[in-house]
Amino acid sequence: DTAVSQTPKYLVTQMGNDKSIKCEQNLGHDTMYWYKQDSKKFLKIMFSYNNKELIINETVPNRFSPKSPDKAHLNLHINSLELGDSAVYFCASSPPAAGARTDTQYFGPGTRLTVL
Amino acid sequence: AQSVSQHNHHVILSEAASLELGCNYSYGGTVNLFWYVQYPGQHLQLLLKYFSGDPLVKGIKGFEAEFIKSKFSFNLRKPSVQWSDTAEYFCAVSQSDKLIFGTGTRLQVFP
Repeated sequence: DTAVSQTPKYLVTQMGNDKSIKCEQNLGHDTMYWYKQDSKKFLKIMFSYNNKELIINETVPNRFSPKSPDKAHLNLHINSLELGDSAVYFCASSPPAAGARTDTQYFGPGTRLTVL
Repeated sequence: AQSVSQHNHHVILSEAASLELGCNYSYGGTVNLFWYVQYPGQHLQLLLKYFSGDPLVKGIKGFEAEFIKSKFSFNLRKPSVQWSDTAEYFCAVSQSDKLIFGTGTRLQVFP
C-alpha cells in the first residue's frame, strides 16, 4: 500500500499556465508538508498543514496556494507558472511532533514539474 | 535559525570501502536528527533517526550514525559500502514543526 501518493508524477506545461499537484496520505497523520527540490537537489520546505490548518508558510510566492480539504489530502495549486518553478515537488506527512520537535516525515514519490 | 552543513558534496568509493558522511548543525538546543536517502529517481526514505538515548544509532541497510552533542555533529557511517548504496544522502534537523535539510551528499559506489 502506498503511504504517501502524489499525482501526477510528471508535469510539463507552458509558462503562464495554472496547474495543480495532488497529495494523499493513508497513514493517519495530522501533519502534511510540501517541499521543493531544485536542480541541485536542495530540499526546502514550502508549507505545512496540521489537521487542515496552515502551520508553516515559508517565503513562497503567493502564486503557490496549498489547499487541504481534509487531513489526508494536501494539494498544491500554482498560478502563472514561471521557468523558475521547474523542480521536483515532494509531499510528506508526519505523526504528531515528538517533544515539540517534528517526528519522522514520510515522503511521496515526487512530481517533476517542467515549465517551458 | 537552524542550519545544517554537509561538507562532503560528492563522494566516490569502491565497493567494500568504508563510508563516513559529515553532518553538522548550528542550533545547540535539544534536536531530533535524521538521515534520509534518495536513490536515483526515487523519493526520500528514512535511514535512521536520533531523538534521545544512546547516541549511536543503527539504521537500515547497515548504516549507523553517531550524535556528538559537543561537536553539533551527526555523522553517517557504513563499514562496507555496496554498489546499491549509490544515492543522495540528506541530513536533517528538526526545528519546531519543520525539518531543515542539508544540501545533500552524492555517493557513487563503483564495483
